[in-house]
Amino acid sequence: SQTIHQWPATLVQPVGSPLSLECTVEGTSNPNLYWYRQAAGRGLQLLFYSVGIGQISSEVPQNLSASRPQDRQFILSSKKLLLSDSGFYLCAWSGDRGSTDTQYFGPGTRLTVL
Amino acid sequence: AQSVTQLDSQVPVFEEAPVELRCNYSSSVSVYLFWYVQYPNQGLQLLLKYLSGSTLVKGINGFEAEFNKSQTSFHLRKPSVHISDTAEYFCAVSPQGAQKLVFGQGTRLTINP
Repeated sequence: SQTIHQWPATLVQPVGSPLSLECTVEGTSNPNLYWYRQAAGRGLQLLFYSVGIGQISSEVPQNLSASRPQDRQFILSSKKLLLSDSGFYLCAWSGDRGSTDTQYFGPGTRLTVL
Repeated sequence: AQSVTQLDSQVPVFEEAPVELRCNYSSSVSVYLFWYVQYPNQGLQLLLKYLSGSTLVKGINGFEAEFNKSQTSFHLRKPSVHISDTAEYFCAVSPQGAQKLVFGQGTRLTINP
């Protein structure tokens, strides 16, 4: 069966520091991968999605970036964090093109920027 | 473009009472419909989904939802809730073939003993 991992689970970072969050998927190949952010009291906002290695689409312009160095690895990064980057970051995966678009979510990373 | 409106931000109910969480959507193309549940400090878990066929969909934990195309709704129901159902519930739509989800703002379900 497929599993999705995220780490770290929690992170406290000062303003201006760099960020790297990692997501990996097991038990599937060529998944679509997604990064969402859930800010306090708000719904889920799609940040990036990827349909293959090196293929990244950005949904919202901001100081975050994403990379997909391997088929089942998705990384969210920032060079300098802002206070507004605080939130709960969720990674998700779905099947190949032609699938039913069901997305499955990881456990999330709680980021606090101070 | 698609949008999803969850009509209630918070729903308090007593244990063993029935509950309905409302979801309406807007889309100019056919969509798939989903309900997810999020327990505190956890990721989202798929409750159920409507892809095609019967408009009444049964999911995990005793939940069900009914797709109403004319009213563009996908309300979630459970006939008798438990304390363990306390969580946030998200309705989402995906344009068929678009590989993206659009979420509602969520409904916080609180179960009182």
